[in-house]
Amino acid sequence: DQQVKQNSPSLSVQEGRISILNCDYTNSMFDYFLWYKKYPAEGPTFLISISSIKDKNEDGRFTVFLNKSAKHLSLHIVPSQPGDSAVYFCAASSFLAGGTSYGKLTFGQGTILTVHP
Amino acid sequence: DAGITQSPRHKVTETGTPVTLRCHQTENHRYMYWYRQDPGHGLRLIHYSYGVKDTDKGEVSDGYSVSRSKTEDFLLTLESATSSQTSVYFCAIRSDPNSYEQYFGPGTRLTVT
Repeated sequence: DQQVKQNSPSLSVQEGRISILNCDYTNSMFDYFLWYKKYPAEGPTFLISISSIKDKNEDGRFTVFLNKSAKHLSLHIVPSQPGDSAVYFCAASSFLAGGTSYGKLTFGQGTILTVHP
Repeated sequence: DAGITQSPRHKVTETGTPVTLRCHQTENHRYMYWYRQDPGHGLRLIHYSYGVKDTDKGEVSDGYSVSRSKTEDFLLTLESATSSQTSVYFCAIRSDPNSYEQYFGPGTRLTVT
């Protein structure tokens, strides 16, 4: 059972426009969400995160929105640049009962973003 | 740069042979993780460690074992490699125990023929 889903395998955007990447989750215990970017032949790199107590977090061109009632989060990139072309993974985590956390992440399948000049 | 190295970076091996992948970190982080990345599956957790000799299973642990005898090294062993274990393997560390962010190594591409 895929607890974190990225239903769009790919997204193509023109340079300068907005890129919107979507992610859905099913486990209501998830309380922290992250986005990673991955270039070919490299490890994933952390991009931005959001706690479930917030509905928006912004860092430069990147903004993550969280809709807890819909169990949905999205990553907005504005303006998109050719260097943003990569695979984007969303991930989720939760504290265990009693506050213990081993920090395990559950990832979505990834979305390939292509930004055309 | 989280100071994570993985070795080897590429390996081709035959079905049935044992394989050990190494993850090395230079900053004494407590938490370390092994993931595999496959098309259509994203990254899936294999095993993780929360201290020396403290390890536990992840989502896809069958056919894998791990060891952590020193803080800096986390080893992943395929006791008898199978073609289904052909994948890209990533090691990650968690630098701040009060946050969830993990930082990944460069990966090992393993092919089992």
